[in-house]
Amino acid sequence: DAEITQSPRHKITETGRQVTLACHQTWNHNNMFWYRQDLGHGLRLIHYSYGVQDTNKGEVSDGYSVSRSNTEDLPLTLESAASSQTSVYFCASSESFSGPQHFGDGTRLSIL
Amino acid sequence: EDQVTQSPEALRLQEGESSSLNCSYTVSGLRGLFWYRQDPGKGPEFLFTLYSAGEEKEKERLKATLTKKESFLHITAPKPEDSATYLCAVQAPGLTGGGNKLTFGTGTQLKVEL
Repeated sequence: DAEITQSPRHKITETGRQVTLACHQTWNHNNMFWYRQDLGHGLRLIHYSYGVQDTNKGEVSDGYSVSRSNTEDLPLTLESAASSQTSVYFCASSESFSGPQHFGDGTRLSIL
Repeated sequence: EDQVTQSPEALRLQEGESSSLNCSYTVSGLRGLFWYRQDPGKGPEFLFTLYSAGEEKEKERLKATLTKKESFLHITAPKPEDSATYLCAVQAPGLTGGGNKLTFGTGTQLKVEL
């Protein structure tokens, strides 16, 4: 079965460090997304990509970057981790602009 | 700005006690309303998409309905395995390149007890 795999599932790091979260999907979807989920907020969009070499900023993109070198992977990088970026991060993909997004099981990131 | 409000925040039911979850929304140019189920430590799992007022979708004990201002997720004779957080999201234009943006509510945490 097709799936989205996120790694690591949990990570603890220090402020100022660079962190990269991996996302790999086997749906063969062109559209991929990164969200963060915090208490009291709905899932919020960080970055998204419509295909190889395409990346776009979402509503909470400051301090994050993504790159898309192939269809399957969209890694999320925190350039210099800040405590405000402690959160649960979800990767998602979709076949079309209007279809449902399918989510991975998330990475819980703690920045001390 | 698109907004989604879900109520109640938490709901405790006895097994077999039917109820409804509400998702109220304001959006410019609705292109779909999605319901997801999220279990602890897991990502959201897609349940339904509704595209127009009056539309209904069913899956086992769940039925989703849509009006111009809100959606309901009806749970009939729930079982303990239905315990989860249920998320609602509206899809509307707003992303670069013509893509649709999803705006999520904060969810309803459902607990079904024996």
